[in-house]
Amino acid sequence: KAGVTQTPRYLIKTRGQQVTLSCSPISGHRSVSWYQQTPGQGLQFLFEYFSETQRNKGNFPGRFSGRQFSNSRSEMNVSTLELGDSALYLCASSLGSSGYTFGSGTRLTVV
Amino acid sequence: ILNVEQSPQSLHVQEGDSTNFTCSFPSSNFYALHWYRWETAKSPEALFVMTLNGDEKKKGRISATLNTKEGYSYLYIKGSQPEDSATYLCAFPAVLIQGAQKLVFGQGTRLTINP
Repeated sequence: KAGVTQTPRYLIKTRGQQVTLSCSPISGHRSVSWYQQTPGQGLQFLFEYFSETQRNKGNFPGRFSGRQFSNSRSEMNVSTLELGDSALYLCASSLGSSGYTFGSGTRLTVV
Repeated sequence: ILNVEQSPQSLHVQEGDSTNFTCSFPSSNFYALHWYRWETAKSPEALFVMTLNGDEKKKGRISATLNTKEGYSYLYIKGSQPEDSATYLCAFPAVLIQGAQKLVFGQGTRLTINP
């Protein structure tokens, strides 16, 4: 079966711009979570969506937002990009408590 | 604030040797512990989801144990091979409101197998 697909794989943006990242979960998985990894930091929870509803959000500024569509695909958006937003963004889908399947990530570089 | 600690941060092991590393997590409100293996430029791959105190799980040459009372898990690799080189992450699911979870990750143990 197809895994979790994230697009694009790499992205370079300029400070002040905005960016949208996409995540297609495994078919049938309704929960999609997003995580950020910056150099020297572990994976940090951004938010989680289930059935088109954001259930929880991590400790990130309002510039970080997301949404989930009826087909469970999710997008995250970062507005007014800052240099510190350069990171690897991972999404993961799950059926519940049985574990998570991660995508390969989008590496965002802000210059 | 939930804290998940992994040690050591990095490890160099000779091919053929066995090794192990540790994940420490909060012992209260335990729900499960996840182990992932993350190779460079790939996606984190689930190894184990451990739920019961005293659990021991095995996948090929890799095994893991769990002690929920004292809040630690060990990951063992027997007879290390170059393909075992990766970062090994443990994650503690924090149960949030509305049944949602978030994974709280440790910093990972970066394992390098020297041929």
